[in-house]
Amino acid sequence: AQSVTQPDIHITVSEGASLELRCNYSYGATPYLFWYVQSPGQGLQLLLKYFSGDTLVQGIKGFEAEFKRSQSSFNLRKPSVHWSDAAEYFCAVGAWNSGYALNFGKGTSLLVTP
Amino acid sequence: DARVTQTPRHKVTEMGQEVTMRCQPILGHNTVFWYRQTMMQGLELLAYFRNRAPLDDSGMPKDRFSAEMPDATLATLKIQPSEPRDSAVYFCASGPDTGGETQYFGPGTRLLVL
Repeated sequence: AQSVTQPDIHITVSEGASLELRCNYSYGATPYLFWYVQSPGQGLQLLLKYFSGDTLVQGIKGFEAEFKRSQSSFNLRKPSVHWSDAAEYFCAVGAWNSGYALNFGKGTSLLVTP
Repeated sequence: DARVTQTPRHKVTEMGQEVTMRCQPILGHNTVFWYRQTMMQGLELLAYFRNRAPLDDSGMPKDRFSAEMPDATLATLKIQPSEPRDSAVYFCASGPDTGGETQYFGPGTRLLVL
């Protein structure tokens, strides 16, 4: 069965510290991978995406993610977190055989402390 | 700056009433998706369309939910009759049909059924 797992429900980091949010997937077809961010009461904003090619992708707001096929992972990273990064982060996977409809992980809530 | 728009942004209704949510996809996008977000289930796909034709609505409760695209600029999601368990945020997203491209999300309709 197709699934997306974000193992960490909540993460707390200090401002200026590095961040890594984990995402693992199980998909039969070649997946298309996304990270979205949601601020309270807002919609979802795309941070970055991976379709093919270079497995390290750069996104907006200083985020990057690395696709590791052998580990079925697509972890999101940021070298130095800002207080404004506090939000809910969702990993999502799509595939051609499902019309590219997205299957979302449960999300990771990021808290940034001073 | 093209955006997906959704109306209404907030809706409070009583159980048994009909609810209609509307979405205007980005001009030129021919795929439209409806997702529902709840605390318990997270983000779930309800239905999606390509070129106004429904491709998959297996995520919707068939007896009370219906989704349509009367024209290329309007997608609707109706609930009749509504129930308290339908309380959620409903997101519309649109994307170009070029294969795995990014979906752009609207701000959502926050529905509360009393």
